[in-house]
Amino acid sequence: DAGITQSPRHKVTETGTPVTLRCHQTENHRYMYWYRQDPGHGLRLIHYSYGVKDTDKGEVSDGYSVSRSKTEDFLLTLESATSSQTSVYFCAIRDNQETQYFGPGTRLLVL
Amino acid sequence: QKEVEQDPGPLSVPEGAIVSLNCTYSNSAFQYFMWYRQYSRKGPELLMYTYSSGNKEDGRFTAQVDKSSKYISLFIRDSQPSDSATYLCAMSNQAGTALIFGKGTTLSVSS
Repeated sequence: DAGITQSPRHKVTETGTPVTLRCHQTENHRYMYWYRQDPGHGLRLIHYSYGVKDTDKGEVSDGYSVSRSKTEDFLLTLESATSSQTSVYFCAIRDNQETQYFGPGTRLLVL
Repeated sequence: QKEVEQDPGPLSVPEGAIVSLNCTYSNSAFQYFMWYRQYSRKGPELLMYTYSSGNKEDGRFTAQVDKSSKYISLFIRDSQPSDSATYLCAMSNQAGTALIFGKGTTLSVSS
């Protein structure tokens, strides 16, 4: 998985609770991304980071925030989880060849 | 019109067949084109990367980009049961920005 780990791998939570997903890379790459994957929608970008403390919104950023205090870690937070945020979340990194590599994913179920 | 269109299939072929997977797109600014393979409950795995137009071959896989027609293809020769997966096309117009994904084509190769 190109030196990318995600934690937790599975999570069940209740509506209204905060949730933080972690992405960790060992490649020292500058760019990191959070996507969600849903049936009928494919993969869609939530947020991305182009350096420590440098982040920007993607296509489906509402209800999500991110932080990057170290090169190796990119955190995705759902401040108050909703059922519509039930999804599979993938982290990705971009290498020097402009290609993106994905982590194993986190399956989140919001009840 | 969606930016990237991909027939979801499913596509079923016998072992040894040649498989053709395709995507069309509407944004003429796209320059970076990728194909990912995703096994069930796994993260997308990069198969092929092409910058701008042309062909690229890697073993049994050939990627083609026709920018004049806004059409990209992935050919799999001598298909194997292990090729059974969902294939995602992805593209972007600028290095470091979000990838825009097709919804994926599910391929099943029977032995």
